[in-house]
Amino acid sequence: AQSVTQLDSHVSVSEGTPVLLRCNYSSSYSPSLFWYVQHPNKGLQLLLKYTSAATLVKGINGFEAEFKKSETSFHLTKPSAHMSDAAEYFCVVSEKGNTPLVFGKGTRLSVIA
Amino acid sequence: DAGVTQSPTHLIKTRGQQVTLRCSPKSGHDTVSWYQQALGQGPQFIFQYYEEEERQRGNFPDRFSGHQFPNYSSELNVNALLLGDSALYLCASSFGLAGNLYNEQFFGPGTRLTVL
Repeated sequence: AQSVTQLDSHVSVSEGTPVLLRCNYSSSYSPSLFWYVQHPNKGLQLLLKYTSAATLVKGINGFEAEFKKSETSFHLTKPSAHMSDAAEYFCVVSEKGNTPLVFGKGTRLSVIA
Repeated sequence: DAGVTQSPTHLIKTRGQQVTLRCSPKSGHDTVSWYQQALGQGPQFIFQYYEEEERQRGNFPDRFSGHQFPNYSSELNVNALLLGDSALYLCASSFGLAGNLYNEQFFGPGTRLTVL
């Protein structure tokens, strides 16, 4: 069965500094991997997705993630944090073909001015 | 192009009552999945509907049931509400069971259910 572990429940960075949110996954098959962001009182928005086409995936708002099969990791990064990036971030794994999405517990990102 | 919509936004019920939540999928989508997000947790899969049938189900009791209509919209029903059912209920839509190779799902804003 697939699962994800988000290694930090809370990350705090200063505005303008890099962001790193860590995620390890477990899957019996070649997985699809996603990062979603959830702002307070809002729905989930897809940041980026890995679908085996390229190991470095670029998403919206300057975020990117690198798929490392040998480390079973899919960490999310951004070179420079903005105040608007403060939100809850979820790493998600799925086997291809409409199987249920399996979410991590989330990492809350705080951005300090 | 309207995205996924859900109603109502908020709902307050008491233990033992029944509740119905509604979801309209993104235009062009025919598959609806429901997730429960407890406070401080990631969403958990409840079930998925395609062609008006429940196709997959997560680890939720039979008190949770659903329906999909010919226009692809969906309802989530919860009977005999418990305090532990208090959560944000998210609806996600996607296109096709076999055609959505990478399983991209689009989420609505959710319905916040509070059980007193």
